[in-house]
Amino acid sequence: DSGVTQTPKHLITATGQRVTLRCSPRSGDLSVYWYQQSLDQGLQFLIQYYNGEERAKGNILERFSAQQFPDLHSELNLSSLELGDSALYFCASSVTGAGDGYTFGSGTRLTVV
Amino acid sequence: AQTVTQSQPEMSVQEAETVTLSCTYDTSESDYYLFWYKQPPSRQMILVIRQEAYKQQNATENRFSVNFQKAAKSFSLKISDSQLGDAAMYFCAYRSADNFNKFYFGSGTKLNVKP
Repeated sequence: DSGVTQTPKHLITATGQRVTLRCSPRSGDLSVYWYQQSLDQGLQFLIQYYNGEERAKGNILERFSAQQFPDLHSELNLSSLELGDSALYFCASSVTGAGDGYTFGSGTRLTVV
Repeated sequence: AQTVTQSQPEMSVQEAETVTLSCTYDTSESDYYLFWYKQPPSRQMILVIRQEAYKQQNATENRFSVNFQKAAKSFSLKISDSQLGDAAMYFCAYRSADNFNKFYFGSGTKLNVKP
């Protein structure tokens, strides 16, 4: 167990629907990052939050949004889902300012049918 | 902008032998961190090893070691005595020491280990 908890582990939904992915960072970590990994692809950075505030934005679609709550957990909302949104969505956390790497969650496998 | 390049999409190694995975990066910064992550079939991302740019000594973690060439902006991963469990995707990553809120990942190298 890495200490970063992602739920659900698997999600199957239909096109046009909306889903919410949840992430609880490792204890003490203030930064949360969301990544998308499509089949046999590398990691695409989506968005990063630090202590409740958005810090950096990557290639995140307008249909996607995220937030980090006061208890530091984060949610990634995906709406108007398309087949191409099927992917593994990773959450990672880190102690900003430290030289450690990310700690990744085990990911949420989203399948859009 | 920083970029991380892994030029070997796929590699194979015989069990018990040694293999080296390549990674180059582009940066104008002098202080940064470099990482290798392993992603086995379970898809969990696991930190293998990290290197701090200001340290000359190459990092080592058991059978895993790096060859860090700062001037050449090269950061290769050497796996000694390869084991079947080493089969995975390996991602090289760069993290700025000043703007440490973003990581830059390479596209990955798939390592096959032959028994």
